[in-house]
Amino acid sequence: SQKIEQNSEALNIQEGKTATLTCNYTNYSPAYLQWYRQDPGRGPVFLLLIRENEKEKRKERLKVTFDTTLKQSLFHITASQPADSATYLCALDNMEYGNKLVFGAGTILRVKS
Amino acid sequence: DAGITQSPRHKVTETGTPVTLRCHQTENHRYMYWYRQDPGHGLRLIHYSYGVKDTDKGEVSDGYSVSRSKTEDFLLTLESATSSQTSVYFCAIGTSGNSDTQYFGPGTRLTVL
Repeated sequence: SQKIEQNSEALNIQEGKTATLTCNYTNYSPAYLQWYRQDPGRGPVFLLLIRENEKEKRKERLKVTFDTTLKQSLFHITASQPADSATYLCALDNMEYGNKLVFGAGTILRVKS
Repeated sequence: DAGITQSPRHKVTETGTPVTLRCHQTENHRYMYWYRQDPGHGLRLIHYSYGVKDTDKGEVSDGYSVSRSKTEDFLLTLESATSSQTSVYFCAIGTSGNSDTQYFGPGTRLTVL
């Protein structure tokens, strides 16, 4: 069956450290993968998109890697801040539904000062 | 949430009653989507629209219908609400159908008693 797996347990880290979140998928062949941030009571907000032919993408303190062999994406936040505390969702295109996005359940990140 | 509003933001209803949720955008985007978000499941696509009067089913469309009579409005209807439809519903918009970043509304929390 098709699955997208993100760490179900919250990730707690100290301010200033690098946070690394994982997104693993099974039985998908995505052409691209996206990461979103969601704060409590609000809709997700787009952060980064990485395509299958790209190994790495950066935006300010954010870095995303995409390994189609391992079927995995890693999302890094360097020099993390308490304001980075949120739920982070990965999403990929699903050919079964016209390449519409399918989302993982998300990982909660808590950055402590 | 810029350019996307959802109404109502909160609703409590009883089993068997009809419910309509409204999504309104001011961005003139062609694509509009309805998702539901439940703990442990992430966002799941209910229906989407690729133009006025053009809609299609998503992953969890049973029990839901949609309509889009104007570019800016996308309605989600639960003909006869059930307790399993208690959820948070998000509308999203996008400029293209594939490889598309999506912009989400603030969500509607629906409780079916």
